[in-house]
Amino acid sequence: ILNVEQSPQSLHVQEGDSTNFTCSFPSSNFYALHWYRWETAKSPEALFVMTLNGDEKKKGRISATLNTKEGYSYLYIKGSQPEDSATYLCASMEGYNNNDMRFGAGTRLTVKP
Amino acid sequence: DVKVTQSSRYLVKRTGEKVFLECVQDMDHENMFWYRQDPGLGLRLIYFSYDVKMKEKGDIPEGYSVSREKKERFSLILESASTNQTSMYLCASSSGQGGDQPQHFGDGTRLSIL
Repeated sequence: ILNVEQSPQSLHVQEGDSTNFTCSFPSSNFYALHWYRWETAKSPEALFVMTLNGDEKKKGRISATLNTKEGYSYLYIKGSQPEDSATYLCASMEGYNNNDMRFGAGTRLTVKP
Repeated sequence: DVKVTQSSRYLVKRTGEKVFLECVQDMDHENMFWYRQDPGLGLRLIYFSYDVKMKEKGDIPEGYSVSREKKERFSLILESASTNQTSMYLCASSSGQGGDQPQHFGDGTRLSIL
């Protein structure tokens, strides 16, 4: 069973700061890496799905990179805003089957105005 | 827009009761999932279904069963609820056969077993 680790567990930044957090996963048998944003009282929302080593994806001020050889992904937020406050979840898939996806415990980001 | 609807946001039940959590998606997705989320832990997969009447166990299926009689609906059943099943339950759906499509989640059901 995969062990997906996210760090830090929580993070407090000031509005305007740029920030990043890490998702690490076992690199053997890697298939896909998912990032989700989960705001309080809402449903988790998909940010990115990445499959190729060296992949870099961007959505507005948020971007993510993937290193499948060493087993990590970074999520970056440029110029954090209070509305970025949420828990960011990553999930790694080992193999092709949908029931092989394992979630990390998340990074809880708080952006102070 | 994609929509996954869970029948209740909050639910309180008693130990020993049979509990049904319902999930409906409107995207004609093949795959549907039930997870539970507990503090300090990642989402843990209870059951997954890749087609009508098909189901596969996830990491923590004990004490749960599921039903998928129609493509759009996936039900989670707690056969005899126990206090250690107090948790947040999330339903999700996705398209395709592999895991390279994002999952779409419902708002979650916070279930308390007294």
